[in-house]
Amino acid sequence: QMQLQESGPGLVKPWETLSLTCTVSGGSITAYYWSWVRQSAGKGLEWLGRTFSSGTTLYNPSLKSRLTMSVDTSKKQISLKMTSLTAADTAVYYCAGDSGGGVIIYPFDLWGQGTLVTVSA
Amino acid sequence: EIVLTQSPGTLSLSPGERATLSCRASQTVSGNYLAWYQQKPGQAPRLLISGASSRATGIPDRFSGSGSGTDFTLTIHSLAPEDFAVYYCQQNGRLVTFGGGTNVEIK
Repeated sequence: QMQLQESGPGLVKPWETLSLTCTVSGGSITAYYWSWVRQSAGKGLEWLGRTFSSGTTLYNPSLKSRLTMSVDTSKKQISLKMTSLTAADTAVYYCAGDSGGGVIIYPFDLWGQGTLVTVSA
Repeated sequence: EIVLTQSPGTLSLSPGERATLSCRASQTVSGNYLAWYQQKPGQAPRLLISGASSRATGIPDRFSGSGSGTDFTLTIHSLAPEDFAVYYCQQNGRLVTFGGGTNVEIK
């Protein structure tokens, strides 16, 4: 059974860059498209973007200028980088997988447990 | 961006009762690409329904989804104790957006 585990710093200073990693186990990282979703008290669930092992990416237009996502198949990891963090970026960050192809984003049937990121000086 | 509005915000019911949750989209959801998720405290969301009406693997048949276009419904036909949770709709027809959630609580 495929499992996902997010990791990264729990605390980030304002205006710094957040780097998160999601490690995949129990299955092939190339079999899924990978998204990052965050959940904050103020904005609920928010999709950040999606990436695939081929390098294809699709970002939420409202955050596109701040995001970089990629897949490292050798390490079986998906990464997220988000720049210029503010308090509004405080949230639980999830990686999630969908088995869709190409343009169609399928619902997320795989989820990590999430990692809390707090933005504070 | 397609905005999803869920109602009610909170539903207070007893075990065994029927729960009816609504999700309304600001634009037509293409291909009926509408999903429902269940989330319990401290856990990630769990996929219940995709394509507006198809139950995900392992989801009990007391959960059903219906609707098309801009109006969708999740029905839990007889609430089990483990069904008290927050439920979110999601559209994946044009990028991805989520509704604000409905909290199904024990009355």
